[in-house]
Amino acid sequence: AQSVTQPDIHITVSEGASLELRCNYSYGATPYLFWYVQSPGQGLQLLLKYFSGDTLVQGIKGFEAEFKRSQSSFNLRKPSVHWSDAAEYFCAVADRKTSYDKVIFGPGTSLSVIP
Amino acid sequence: DVKVTQSSRYLVKRTGEKVFLECVQDMDHENMFWYRQDPGLGLRLIYFSYDVKMKEKGDIPEGYSVSREKKERFSLILESASTNQTSMYLCASSYPSGTATDTQYFGPGTRLTVL
Repeated sequence: AQSVTQPDIHITVSEGASLELRCNYSYGATPYLFWYVQSPGQGLQLLLKYFSGDTLVQGIKGFEAEFKRSQSSFNLRKPSVHWSDAAEYFCAVADRKTSYDKVIFGPGTSLSVIP
Repeated sequence: DVKVTQSSRYLVKRTGEKVFLECVQDMDHENMFWYRQDPGLGLRLIYFSYDVKMKEKGDIPEGYSVSREKKERFSLILESASTNQTSMYLCASSYPSGTATDTQYFGPGTRLTVL
């Protein structure tokens, strides 16, 4: 069965520093991949998604992610973090072969930003 | 903008009570979902619905039921609340494009405490 792991439970970075959040998936073929962000007290918002083509995907709020098939990874990056980026980040994978509605979410990475 | 609203942000109930969580979306979306969010576990799918009066079990349906009488409204029902159902409940909706690339739009969540 497909699964998603996010090795880092919590990350703290300084404002202006670069950021990379790790995501690994387990799936037999190329999956659909997503990154969502949950700001405090809010629902989840889609940052970006990958399903084919260019392996470097641009998203909203200055985020990008790179799909690496050889490493089964889909890491999220941002060159310069802003204090407003403090939130919970979820990587997710959708099964392309079965119900297209089924999306598996990772456990999340909590990001803190130091001024 | 897509708007998904949930009837309560915070709810406190007693063990054995019947609990209704309501979700309404205003974008004429076909698909609606109920997730449960727990620390370290990410989001887990309880039920989803792809049409009025249609429902499918997700990964953790035990102890829950759902109702979708109108397209815009999807209700989650706890027939007899238990303390292990204390959690954050998130509703989402999406418009089915026929692929797994559908973006899900989330409500702000209901934090349910069962005493």
